[in-house]
Amino acid sequence: EAQVTQNPRYLITVTGKKLTVTCSQNMNHEYMSWYRQDPGLGLRQIYYSMNVEVTDKGDVPEGYKVSRKEKRNFPLILESPSPNQTSLYFCASSPDTEEAFFGQGTRLTVV
Amino acid sequence: GNSVTQMEGPVTLSEEAFLTINCTYTATGYPSLFWYVQYPGEGLQLLLKATKADDKGSNKGFEATYRKETTSFHLEKGSVQVSDSAVYFCALSSAVGGGYNKLIFGAGTRLAVHP
Repeated sequence: EAQVTQNPRYLITVTGKKLTVTCSQNMNHEYMSWYRQDPGLGLRQIYYSMNVEVTDKGDVPEGYKVSRKEKRNFPLILESPSPNQTSLYFCASSPDTEEAFFGQGTRLTVV
Repeated sequence: GNSVTQMEGPVTLSEEAFLTINCTYTATGYPSLFWYVQYPGEGLQLLLKATKADDKGSNKGFEATYRKETTSFHLEKGSVQVSDSAVYFCALSSAVGGGYNKLIFGAGTRLAVHP
């Protein structure tokens, strides 16, 4: 089954404790992205990747890192999480530059 | 910059009612336009899209027409069902260089359909 898999689905952590949210796709897509969803703001892009070893900042990259060492994986790293990073996070992959396939989301709470 | 504006929700309807969710956009050039749907506890799924002016996207009884003159892409359905209850996002594609177009989303409109 074609899918984008994120883990974990739910995470509660403390301020400053490094964490990684994993994302994996099995569709051989070149393009992958991370978004955060906040009430009243819709989805905002954090980072995107056009291919292995090619990543770039989206609209809200501060406090986040990504890597793309393999085509299928695109982890999101929060090296020192803060409460304002409490949000719902989505990973997406795309076969072209437009239509996106989304994971089920990761709800992160930073206390 | 490019942006998408959606009507605020929630929208509450009875089953079989007519649905319209308004979406307008600001963009340079001729972006593709999309409607995505998010069912409870799930990620977003593409509902329909239109790639040029006057195109009509349709899927599962939903329709939207790309109106360049009014910069709009309103979502409509003639008879909603309880299973249509979800959050609906309007989006456009925006070129960022290097052949990559990113999606810019509206804030989302929550639809609740009651029996």
